[in-house]
Amino acid sequence: DAKTTQPNSMESNEEEPVHLPCNHSTISGTDYIHWYRQLPSQGPEYVIHGLTSNVNNRMASLAIAEDRKSSTLILHRATLRDAAVYYCILKGEYGNKLVFGAGTILRVKS
Amino acid sequence: NAGVTQTPKFRVLKTGQSMTLLCAQDMNHEYMYWYRQDPGMGLRLIHYSVGEGTTAKGEVPDGYNVSRLKKQNFLLGLESAAPSQTSVYFCASSPGGDYTEAFFGQGTRLTVV
Repeated sequence: DAKTTQPNSMESNEEEPVHLPCNHSTISGTDYIHWYRQLPSQGPEYVIHGLTSNVNNRMASLAIAEDRKSSTLILHRATLRDAAVYYCILKGEYGNKLVFGAGTILRVKS
Repeated sequence: NAGVTQTPKFRVLKTGQSMTLLCAQDMNHEYMYWYRQDPGMGLRLIHYSVGEGTTAKGEVPDGYNVSRLKKQNFLLGLESAAPSQTSVYFCASSPGGDYTEAFFGQGTRLTVV
């Protein structure tokens, strides 16, 4: 089964961009790349997803490598409210399941 | 729009007691999921459902049962609670399909003493 690998933690300064990497070297051609985040004491929330092309929405951008073996979630200007655990998930590999890994803890310094 | 609602939000059980957690969604979603999250850990999938009347096992199904008698509700049951089941439980729903997003409830904090 395809898996994702993320750094355990990252730190950013407020108002600066943040690039959160995710490796998925065994991704299949039909797997979508999803990102969720979990704020302290809350349930996860959807951030963004993509298949092959880069994607932008009001929360973030998703840059997908040409070979699709890695992707990067970009927060353009980190705020203190962006401090959370960010999960990179492949949807499709487990059929109908939505399986989370350990994620990356993002700390934002003021 | 309520989204995904979990009931109750907090509960303390004694070892051996039983209980049912209710997840309700008002978005007409086909897929529903139950997860548990232990302190400092990621979410682990317990059971899931891809439609009314269907259920399937996730990563950690032992000690839990589920039912999806109505499309909008997904019930998680603990027949004989154990301290190892102390956790925060999250429910989620999604329309289905690999390109769709999931919506999560706010969680149920369960303590088994």
